[in-house]
Amino acid sequence: DTGVSQDPRHKITKRGQNVTFRCDPISEHNRLYWYRQTLGQGPEFLTYFQNEAQLEKSRLLSDRFSAERPKGSFSTLEIQRTEQGDSAMYLCASSVGLRDRTYEQYFGPGTRLTVT
Amino acid sequence: AQKITQTQPGMFVQEKEAVTLDCTYDTSDPSYGLFWYKQPSSGEMIFLIYQGSYDQQNATEGRYSLNFQKARKSANLVISASQLGDSAMYFCAMREGLGTSYDKVIFGPGTSLSVIP
Repeated sequence: DTGVSQDPRHKITKRGQNVTFRCDPISEHNRLYWYRQTLGQGPEFLTYFQNEAQLEKSRLLSDRFSAERPKGSFSTLEIQRTEQGDSAMYLCASSVGLRDRTYEQYFGPGTRLTVT
Repeated sequence: AQKITQTQPGMFVQEKEAVTLDCTYDTSDPSYGLFWYKQPSSGEMIFLIYQGSYDQQNATEGRYSLNFQKARKSANLVISASQLGDSAMYFCAMREGLGTSYDKVIFGPGTSLSVIP
């Protein structure tokens, strides 16, 4: 399978704990995006990377959230001191970048986070 | 202000009929792209169709076509010959600043489509 993969698919954690999610993009894609989706809503942009550089970061990404893409391949999204409001689906997507005339983003299956 | 508006929270269509899902957008950027994604109950986001602001013709992909009216800032999705498998959430999305490093896609609230046999 050469699509975008995310791990874990589901995470249940207690309030106050830290969690980390991983995203592996399609191998030749140099752009990687993180979104958050709550029930009944469209995905909300969190951040994106061009290779290893984090170029855009949403105001939604509070100080408790951090994302990395150290070698320009996989990315991690960490949430510290989780709160119940963090419960959502976290989606990762990748795209070819500036060379891609369609600008299509390919999404992974998501990580569903439940904070109890 | 909402950048992407989808005024139909839910739609029903008879199998084999055509259906139009509405989307209006707001931007002052001359270079932007519009997307439609499908999200079935399984949760995956599936890319359907793309329209660039400078594209002269409306985009088509199989049974999907995008009715792009630039002056009205609307980008409606038309699904022809609806199938039961088309039942899903449909999201309209916009990306501004095409060709630049600014890369942020804004999604609308979605329309839930139900295809009736």
